[in-house]
Amino acid sequence: DAGVIQSPRHEVTEMGQEVTLRCKPISGHNSLFWYRQTMMRGLELLIYFNNNVPIDDSGMPEDRFSAKMPNASFSTLKIQPSEPRDSAVYFCASSPGTGSETQYFGPGTRLLVL
Amino acid sequence: AQSVTQLGSHVSVSEGALVLLRCNYSSSVPPYLFWYVQYPNQGLQLLLKYTSAATLVKGINGFEAEFKKSETSFHLTKPSAHMSDAAEYFCAVSDRVYGGSQGNLIFGKGTKLSVKP
Repeated sequence: DAGVIQSPRHEVTEMGQEVTLRCKPISGHNSLFWYRQTMMRGLELLIYFNNNVPIDDSGMPEDRFSAKMPNASFSTLKIQPSEPRDSAVYFCASSPGTGSETQYFGPGTRLLVL
Repeated sequence: AQSVTQLGSHVSVSEGALVLLRCNYSSSVPPYLFWYVQYPNQGLQLLLKYTSAATLVKGINGFEAEFKKSETSFHLTKPSAHMSDAAEYFCAVSDRVYGGSQGNLIFGKGTKLSVKP
């Protein structure tokens, strides 16, 4: 199994630009999570999906952030417009779902907003 | 609500010494507990998990953790540290509600382990 796949691995953009992060979960997993990690705030859960449906987006910082999961094998996290304070590592994780909380993390996308 | 507290944001040990990383949890239901490791520039990787079976859980890379209900603890240990163990370690608890089939993970703030030669 290829594990959770994230792209791009690194992204450098300028303030005000739109940023789209992509995630492909492990096949057969029906829960997907987006996290943000910074030195100051540690690991934060932004949003999670179950069976492609957003269940809890209370961690999404503000309206500039949006996430979608159009099908079981793909999810996006979009920031529009981006700001320097959005600079962080963004992780996607997936979980088998019912009966298992174990989450499997992708390698992350390191975002730098100038 | 469930939560975890990791005592010590940084721990430094010598190579060959005992590794002890502390985690205390709070849970209103029998907890499911996890340890994850994050190597530099990588995602989190599952080390081990406790799901109400044996109280001593063995994980990868020689790590183990013991669930102690009386102390609400789930400390991570390794008898002899290796240079390759230098990483950040996260304790997590499931927020599964009583009678529920699944929960999400609530992560601690992490402990960075340094190993001196």
